[in-house]
Amino acid sequence: GAVVSQHPSWVICKSGTSVKIECRSLDFQATTMFWYRQFPKKSLMLMATSNEGSKATYEQGVEKDKFLINHASLTLSTLTVTSAHPEDSSFYICSARVLLLAGGADTQYFGPGTRLTVL
Amino acid sequence: GQQLNQSPQSMFIQEGEDVSMNCTSSSIFNTWLWYKQEPGEGPVLLIALYKAGELTSNGRLTAQFGITRKDSFLNISASIPSDVGIYFCAGPQGGSEKLVFGKGTKLTVNP
Repeated sequence: GAVVSQHPSWVICKSGTSVKIECRSLDFQATTMFWYRQFPKKSLMLMATSNEGSKATYEQGVEKDKFLINHASLTLSTLTVTSAHPEDSSFYICSARVLLLAGGADTQYFGPGTRLTVL
Repeated sequence: GQQLNQSPQSMFIQEGEDVSMNCTSSSIFNTWLWYKQEPGEGPVLLIALYKAGELTSNGRLTAQFGITRKDSFLNISASIPSDVGIYFCAGPQGGSEKLVFGKGTKLTVNP
């Protein structure tokens, strides 16, 4: 299957600093990537859809100025948590969409996640 | 919006037992995806289903796309300790590339 990597796998930062998380598709090109946030013992919550070469589409309630997304190439999307605060501590997971068939049958492959802890 | 109802919420079984979990929706889905997530990791795709009635296996795992397009099940045969994790069903929201997820089934396998 398709491989998606994330970097870093974990990060600890001080309150007020910014943190960048990278998501890469290693063996395929992804025109669309997604960023999720997951709280303990909960399902994944979609934050935004990242499209290569265009602005990200954010879900309702997600602050676009807080969570900056850049999809600069077909294999890389980045999420920057700006001026991080303790409440931003969470598990952030990206995924990449793979279109398998003409006509729309597709799936998503997930990265291993990034654990962010803001002190 | 569309919702996926996944059950059971959790399962505690003995090694060697078979496991069955399912997902239902009030809306039609054209794709059903089953993922497994282990602690501290991202979800890993287990099986993807694209046609109503489709039955697909991946080792000891078997999943089916319901004929009505409103349900899917995942079976695990002869469970082993490494099957432990949370299993999620997911599918694209109608006409969208976004996925909607079930709330997960937490599987515990006792050796």
